[in-house]
Amino acid sequence: NAGVTQTPKFQVLKTGQSMTLQCAQDMNHNSMYWYRQDPGMGLRLIYYSASEGTTDKGEVPNGYNVSRLNKREFSLRLESAAPSQTSVYFCASILVKSSYNEQFFGPGTRLTVL
Amino acid sequence: SQQGEEDPQALSIQEGENATMNCSYKTSINNLQWYRQNSGRGLVHLILIRSNEREKHSGRLRVTLDTSKKSSSLLITASRAADTASYFCATNPLGGGKLIFGQGTELSVKP
Repeated sequence: NAGVTQTPKFQVLKTGQSMTLQCAQDMNHNSMYWYRQDPGMGLRLIYYSASEGTTDKGEVPNGYNVSRLNKREFSLRLESAAPSQTSVYFCASILVKSSYNEQFFGPGTRLTVL
Repeated sequence: SQQGEEDPQALSIQEGENATMNCSYKTSINNLQWYRQNSGRGLVHLILIRSNEREKHSGRLRVTLDTSKKSSSLLITASRAADTASYFCATNPLGGGKLIFGQGTELSVKP
């Protein structure tokens, strides 16, 4: 049981390049989330998927797209990277039941846009 | 805007002392959670307290919740150097499965 996995761990892009961050979970969770973490800002929600086949915008969705490929996988795409997207990106998942919403986090992807 | 505001932003104590971190939030919640993040790692869930609970314990952790003041505190007793990490509160607002995180408290425990 690997939990939540993310690839790649590190990435350097030039402004305007595109890339996809991959996330997968093997816990049969129904909800998945993408966050970015910047110094002094905590975690900010980019997009989330409450269930397979649905996606919704979070607090900072501009410049990103997501795909909930199946129940296990939730990818985040940067179509045209900008230096402002330099950040650490975390994927998380939840098995939503009653009012207990513990999130399980992946190890993160550290992205630098030059 | 973020739901949770944490205080202090940084805390430095000696091993054996207690560490207290505070979190304030703005809207009604289902529950409030505390997470820990070691440098360069993902977040790990520590403890959850529901809106109808006032206090909860887990090992050396004690969490309180005051919904009338919209605030929570995390107490780590008898701290250890291994407790050095950033600690985040996260609120689960009513009506949704999302979590909204505060900026975190950076705790340093010196041996």
